[in-house]
Amino acid sequence: ELKVEQNPLFLSMQEGKNYTIYCNYSTTSDRLYWYRQDPGKSLESLFVLLSNGAVKQEGRLMASLDTKARLSTLHITAAVHDLSATYFCAVDSNYGGSQGNLIFGKGTKLSVKP
Amino acid sequence: DAGVIQSPRHEVTEMGQEVTLRCKPISGHDYLFWYRQTMMRGLELLIYFNNNVPIDDSGMPEDRFSAKMPNASFSTLKIQPSEPRDSAVYFCASSLFGQWVQNIQYFGAGTRLSVL
Repeated sequence: ELKVEQNPLFLSMQEGKNYTIYCNYSTTSDRLYWYRQDPGKSLESLFVLLSNGAVKQEGRLMASLDTKARLSTLHITAAVHDLSATYFCAVDSNYGGSQGNLIFGKGTKLSVKP
Repeated sequence: DAGVIQSPRHEVTEMGQEVTLRCKPISGHDYLFWYRQTMMRGLELLIYFNNNVPIDDSGMPEDRFSAKMPNASFSTLKIQPSEPRDSAVYFCASSLFGQWVQNIQYFGAGTRLSVL
């Protein structure tokens, strides 16, 4: 059974600081997704990482994937209040036999304070 | 495309009543997912369909919940009878699966259900 674990689950940051959110998964997969959810809103796709070593960046967020370590990171650079949201990672369960489904982590609730 | 469309956006009902949530996926997508989100349990996958056929309903909490997808452009999630513990935000998502596509799930705005 594919499991996806994120840590930390809660993160309080000061503006201007850097931090990293980690996403570990338990079985082979070469597709990983990051989503953002603002309070009271839906989930929005941020990044899709499709191969080992893939790196995607947008603004102050950078995501990377290491399929050998079964690890993805979401790095936040010089955080600003607008980044406050819950971030989910999700893994394509294709190799687990459940083609088409994504397995989501529990989410990391990020709060950026002045 | 307008994205995944869910209705209603908000539903308030009394315990014991039947509730029907509706979803229109993105045109051309072949997968449709129903999720439930609560503070206590987080995001839970209830059921998903491929080409209108239910693939995995192991996340459906109990027999009070049922889901249908009569055609490629419409799905319903029904709760009968509803209970206060069913109060949650229900999301519908759709995706296009394949070796050469990204398999991104696109989420609707959600239906916020309150059962009194």
